[in-house]
Amino acid sequence: DGGITQSPKYLFRKEGQNVTLSCEQNLNHDAMYWYRQDPGQGLRLIYYSQIVNDFQKGDIAEGYSVSREKKESFPLTVTSAQKNPTAFYLCASSMRHEKLFFGSGTQLSVL
Amino acid sequence: EDQVTQSPEALRLQEGESSSLNCSYTVSGLRGLFWYRQDPGKGPEFLFTLYSAGEEKEKERLKATLTKKESFLHITAPKPEDSATYLCAVQRDSNYQLIWGAGTKLIIKP
Repeated sequence: DGGITQSPKYLFRKEGQNVTLSCEQNLNHDAMYWYRQDPGQGLRLIYYSQIVNDFQKGDIAEGYSVSREKKESFPLTVTSAQKNPTAFYLCASSMRHEKLFFGSGTQLSVL
Repeated sequence: EDQVTQSPEALRLQEGESSSLNCSYTVSGLRGLFWYRQDPGKGPEFLFTLYSAGEEKEKERLKATLTKKESFLHITAPKPEDSATYLCAVQRDSNYQLIWGAGTKLIIKP
């Protein structure tokens, strides 16, 4: 079945630690996205990529980094510079500018 | 400033009690408006895209409509399995970016 796989489902970060969230898609989509979801707020765009080896900052990129070495994969690293990382992180993909397909999310919490 | 506001924040209905959710928007240029459904602890699932005022789309008990300032998601004779958070997003025509509302949490009681 085609879809987007995010892992892990739950992740805990210690002070000063970098953590990486995985996102893999087999939909053959060119575009991939990372969103952050906090209670009571709309989804906020962290980074997006329209093509392999290229990505752009979204509205809240500070404290995060990404790579896009393969069309299928778009991992997100939450660095120690992100002081408030607790949130639900969603990865999505799409054909260019069309509807988004989302993964099942990763809940990141701080120990 | 581009903005999307969804109301109400939460809505509790009895099974079979029809109602509507609202998505009001301000955007410099609208390419499209999207509705998604999100179950707890899961990613949003696409429902509809609307592109022009007057357009309507239906799926089972849901119907989405669009005007120049807002969209409505009408739910007819809802069932408990319709309980979810419904998200609205508008897409700018200048850069294709999405602006998301905070969602409406819908609870259908049997």
